[in-house]
Amino acid sequence: TQLLEQSPQFLSIQEGENLTVYCNSSSVFSSLQWYRQEPGEGPVLLVTVVTGGEVKKLKRLTFQFGDARKDSSLHITAAQPGDTGLYLCAGGRSGGGADGLTFGKGTHLIIQP
Amino acid sequence: DTGVSQDPRHKITKRGQNVTFRCDPISEHNRLYWYRQTLGQGPEFLTYFQNEAQLEKSRLLSDRFSAERPKGSFSTLEIQRTEQGDSAMYLCASSRRGQSYGYTFGSGTRLTVV
Repeated sequence: TQLLEQSPQFLSIQEGENLTVYCNSSSVFSSLQWYRQEPGEGPVLLVTVVTGGEVKKLKRLTFQFGDARKDSSLHITAAQPGDTGLYLCAGGRSGGGADGLTFGKGTHLIIQP
Repeated sequence: DTGVSQDPRHKITKRGQNVTFRCDPISEHNRLYWYRQTLGQGPEFLTYFQNEAQLEKSRLLSDRFSAERPKGSFSTLEIQRTEQGDSAMYLCASSRRGQSYGYTFGSGTRLTVV
């Protein structure tokens, strides 16, 4: 069974601060995705990374896929209240026709004004 | 592109009743997925379709659950003889090219079994 551990589970910081959340596994994934979810809504895709060591930037968000494709991090610079939400990482399985994602439990992020 | 639509948004049912949820994916997406999310957890994979073919089912999908996508467009997820443990958010997602390119999720159906 492939598991993704996210840390921290909860994070509350002041507007303007920087933060990093982590997604770790002992398994190798074919791809790694980050989603943000708000209460009562479905997750919204932020980014997909597929190559070990890959770094992608989305405005103030920087995503990195580990060299061995087992872990990932999300760094937010100068956090804003609009960044508040549940951040989920999800790993893609490969082979044998498998096409489902394995999700972590998420990091609940609160940015206080 | 109107996104992924799920109906109903909320469903309250008595234990033992059958319920059916509907998902309308993005029209050009040939892959459709069902996930279940309980409080404090990330979404858990249930099943996926490529066009009308159901290609994978999770062990979470007991024999009380059945999913269909008869014409390769919309999909239904039926739960028979509901149990309190079935209470969860049921999420549908669609994709044009599979997991590596990301999913578009619907807003989900919140099921409460009383």
